[in-house]
Amino acid sequence: DGGITQSPKYLFRKEGQNVTLSCEQNLNHDAMYWYRQDPGQGLRLIYYSQIVNDFQKGDIAEGYSVSREKKESFPLTVTSAQKNPTAFYLCASSIFGGRSTDTQYFGPGTRLTVL
Amino acid sequence: GQQLNQSPQSMFIQEGEDVSMNCTSSSIFNTWLWYKQDPGEGPVLLIALYKAGELTSNGRLTAQFGITRKDSFLNISASIPSDVGIYFCAGRLGGGTSYGKLTFGQGTILTVHP
Repeated sequence: DGGITQSPKYLFRKEGQNVTLSCEQNLNHDAMYWYRQDPGQGLRLIYYSQIVNDFQKGDIAEGYSVSREKKESFPLTVTSAQKNPTAFYLCASSIFGGRSTDTQYFGPGTRLTVL
Repeated sequence: GQQLNQSPQSMFIQEGEDVSMNCTSSSIFNTWLWYKQDPGEGPVLLIALYKAGELTSNGRLTAQFGITRKDSFLNISASIPSDVGIYFCAGRLGGGTSYGKLTFGQGTILTVHP
């Protein structure tokens, strides 16, 4: 089955620790995205990557870092500099090319709780 | 960033009723998408719209790209219990260099009573 996987589903970390969230896709999509969702709010874009070894900041990139060494993988690191890291994190991917880039497909999400 | 105003925030309806929700913006959007999210899961794409005035259906769901390009509508006909969830609109603001940069509405929480 083609799709996007995110692991783990739930993650707990102590304040001040960095944590890396995994995102893998086997849809052969070029573009991948990371969003943050807080209760009662819409999704906000953290980082996105349109091609391997390249990525761009989204609207709320401060305190986060990413890498894109492989087409299939786009891990997100939540650093200790992120002031309010507890949230639901969603990874998405899409074809890169014109309007198809806008049609994004999401993974199941990782709920991060920082204690 | 640019905000999308989605309404209503929540709806409580009886099974079999029709549902309407919409998103509006003060700026022109070039793509509109509608997603449904179940609790604790990722959003699932329902309908994608790419042209002003476009009307697209997906089963009991129908969505329209507003003619002004500043709004979009989603209708669900003959609702059933599994329609329960949060519905999000999303849009792309800007030209070709902004492909993939979506702005999301706050969501409409739909509850369907059997």
